Amino acid sequence: TQLLEQSPQFLSIQEGENLTVYCNSSSVFSSLQWYRQEPGEGPVLLVTVVTGGEVKKLKRLTFQFGDARKDSSLHITAAQPGDTGLYLCAGATSWGKLQFGAGTQVVVTP
Amino acid sequence: DSGVTQTPKHLITATGQRVTLRCSPRSGDLSVYWYQQSLDQGLQFLIHYYNGEERAKGNILERFSAQQFPDLHSELNLSSLELGDSALYFCASSEDVWNEQFFGPGTRLTVL
Repeated sequence: TQLLEQSPQFLSIQEGENLTVYCNSSSVFSSLQWYRQEPGEGPVLLVTVVTGGEVKKLKRLTFQFGDARKDSSLHITAAQPGDTGLYLCAGATSWGKLQFGAGTQVVVTP
Repeated sequence: DSGVTQTPKHLITATGQRVTLRCSPRSGDLSVYWYQQSLDQGLQFLIHYYNGEERAKGNILERFSAQQFPDLHSELNLSSLELGDSALYFCASSEDVWNEQFFGPGTRLTVL
């Protein structure tokens, strides 16, 4: 089983601060996806990274895929209350099925 | 709105019963995936269908089954329900097999 470990499990910060969420595995993934989920709703896809060393930016969010395609990070600059949610990383395995990490709960207070 | 629809939104039933959850993928998507999300297990892959055929199985119990119909909608059947089956059930769809997956709003199942 290819396991994805996310850290930290919980992050509480003030509006305007920066934060980084990590996603690590001992296995190589063909691609890695980041989702944000709000209570009682389905995960919403934020980004997909495919190439080792790839960096993608989505407004204040920066995503990195490790050179060996085993790990990834999500960095949020100047966090806002609207960034609050459960951040999930998911690695694509055989037949495209996703192996999810346990998630990082981010709370941004005004 | 991801374009993936799931019904019902909520389902409350008793132990031993059987329920059917329905999913309609985004227009044009051939793949449907089912996931279960519980507090202690996180999001777990159950099963994948591509254009009507089963392609991959994950941690799906024998009491659970699924199918994808010619119009590409999918149903997940859960039988002999137990308290531990209470969870959020999501389906996701993608254009093909390796494309990005888009999740529906989920069905919250409560087994009493």
